[in-house]
Amino acid sequence: NAGVTQTPKFRVLKTGQSMTLLCAQDMNHEYMYWYRQDPGMGLRLIHYSVGEGTTAKGEVPDGYNVSRLKKQNFLLGLESAAPSQTSVYFCASSYRAVYNEQFFGPGTRLTVL
Amino acid sequence: AQSVTQLDSHVSVSEGTPVLLRCNYSSSYSPSLFWYVQHPNKGLQLLLKYTSAATLVKGINGFEAEFKKSETSFHLTKPSAHMSDAAEYFCVVSDRAQDMRFGAGTRLTVKP
Repeated sequence: NAGVTQTPKFRVLKTGQSMTLLCAQDMNHEYMYWYRQDPGMGLRLIHYSVGEGTTAKGEVPDGYNVSRLKKQNFLLGLESAAPSQTSVYFCASSYRAVYNEQFFGPGTRLTVL
Repeated sequence: AQSVTQLDSHVSVSEGTPVLLRCNYSSSYSPSLFWYVQHPNKGLQLLLKYTSAATLVKGINGFEAEFKKSETSFHLTKPSAHMSDAAEYFCVVSDRAQDMRFGAGTRLTVKP
């Protein structure tokens, strides 16, 4: 089992460019999440999905879009990157029940110049 | 609304001495509580979780945490620090599977 994988690991963008981050999980989890991690702020939830074909906004959704066309994949898109989106992005997945922990990917470090 | 406060942004201990990382939470419901560890340039790994069973929770690598409802605390402890424990630690509260709130993190330094 690979667990949760993220592609790419690093990326540098110029302001206004677009990109898509891919998250994949092989644990058959129903729920998937995208977080951003900034110094001194812990992780903040961007968007999440409770099943194939569904998405919902988290704490900091502005400037991002997501899609979950397949149960195992969760895509995070930046349509027009801004320097404020420079961050480390983590994908996670979990089973449905409230007591189940989330499993995290290794992260994507994004720099927007 | 739920929230988490980690009371120390940085804790420094000597190898072989006890570790205490403090966490207070706020939740309207009976929450689940978690501690995650993040080693440099790595993802997050679950250390332990509280899910309304025993209030003293044992995790991996000798860590444990005690849920104290009256104090709304979930402090993480370890009797004897090891150099490999140096990392960032996050306390997390959740009252729904899709809503986990992370603390700002505590960086643990272990001196030889």
